[in-house]
Amino acid sequence: AQSVTQLGSHVSVSEGALVLLRCNYSSSVPPYLFWYVQYPNQGLQLLLKYTSAATLVKGINGFEAEFKKSETSFHLTKPSAHMSDAAEYFCAVSRQGAQKLVFGQGTRLTINP
Amino acid sequence: ETGVTQTPRHLVMGMTNKKSLKCEQHLGHNAMYWYKQSAKKPLELMFVYSLEERVENNSVPSRFSPECPNSSHLFLHLHTLQPEDSALYLCASSQDPQGANVLTFGAGSRLTVL
Repeated sequence: AQSVTQLGSHVSVSEGALVLLRCNYSSSVPPYLFWYVQYPNQGLQLLLKYTSAATLVKGINGFEAEFKKSETSFHLTKPSAHMSDAAEYFCAVSRQGAQKLVFGQGTRLTINP
Repeated sequence: ETGVTQTPRHLVMGMTNKKSLKCEQHLGHNAMYWYKQSAKKPLELMFVYSLEERVENNSVPSRFSPECPNSSHLFLHLHTLQPEDSALYLCASSQDPQGANVLTFGAGSRLTVL
């Protein structure tokens, strides 16, 4: 079975600071990994995905994530936080042939002025 | 309209009511999903439809009844709900339900059961 653990239900950073949101996964087969973002009163939208090509994946709004098989991690980073990045972020895992996307519990990102 | 549209956005119902949530996608996708989002819990997959056929039913109580009349529309019929069913219900679609496909979500229907 696959699972995802997001370390930290709430992360707070200052505007302009580095954003680091942590995600560790468990999968017995090569995974597909995703980061989604949810702004208030909206559904989830895709930030980026990893599907076994390049291990460093660039997404929208300046975010990127690196797949590290040895650490079973897929942490999300952004060099400089912006106020508009305040939202909830979800890491998710799937695999080839699967019909189920398994989500982590989410991390709420707060940006301090 | 584009993307995935959910109606109503907010719904308040009593435990004896019958209501329905509607989802419509304008993306030409072949798979549609219902997810439940409760506070402090991971998103829970409820149902998956592929080409109008239900391919997953994730141990959801029978008081939730899905319907997929065509590949563009998905309904969630609600009856005799409990207060713990209060949550945000998210509809999503994808090109097909396999592995690497990206889900496009609607904005959700916020359900409150009194």
